[in-house]
Amino acid sequence: DIQMTQSPSSLSASAGDRVTITCRASQNIYNYLNWYQQKPGIAPKLLIYRTSTLQSGVPSRFSGSGSGTYFTLTISSLQPEDFATYYCQQSYTTPLTFGGGTKVDIK
Amino acid sequence: DVQLVESGGDRVQPGGSLKLSCAASGFTFRTFAMNWVRQAPGGGLEWVSSLSGGGGTTYYADSVKGRFTISRDNSQNTLYLQMNSLRVEDTAVYYCARVESRDLLPGTRSDYWGQGTLVTVSS
Repeated sequence: DIQMTQSPSSLSASAGDRVTITCRASQNIYNYLNWYQQKPGIAPKLLIYRTSTLQSGVPSRFSGSGSGTYFTLTISSLQPEDFATYYCQQSYTTPLTFGGGTKVDIK
Repeated sequence: DVQLVESGGDRVQPGGSLKLSCAASGFTFRTFAMNWVRQAPGGGLEWVSSLSGGGGTTYYADSVKGRFTISRDNSQNTLYLQMNSLRVEDTAVYYCARVESRDLLPGTRSDYWGQGTLVTVSS
């Protein structure tokens, strides 16, 4: 199975900060990497697919990059509604696997 | 609007069975593959199973293989998850999610999710 490792597991930031979350795959997944946002008690929401393509309706302050085994999610200027948990997920092969999540909370 | 509504979650004893349903609306159900994803209390996301739009291709996580069965009724726009031999570690919120394509190809994504249904396995 492909292991997905996110870092950090949590971070505290202020509105307006630039935030970067890292996701590493245990083997090459090319660009088959998705990012999801989840708020407490609510279903996950797709943010970015194929490493860097924004899902419709997602603000442009979100961006993704990477390839192979190293990927990043960047929020250029954190907004109050962005405080949530973020998960990466590889879609290269089954079993589909998620990272452990990165919780972004208010400093 | 795309809507996915799960139901069937309940409290069940270890070794018991449960069948979850996911009613879909707002899109042509048969042309999309579907996923089940679960989340244990306070935990992260875990993929459970996938089913192609036509129902001919299925995939399962090792943790549920042989115990869970994914299926769909395209005439009723409904996805199912039959769960047998339930274990305490199956306790989770179960989400159904639409895959953006008919087939389960590399690079697919879950673009719409239901609100989830809670399954509790406890004696």
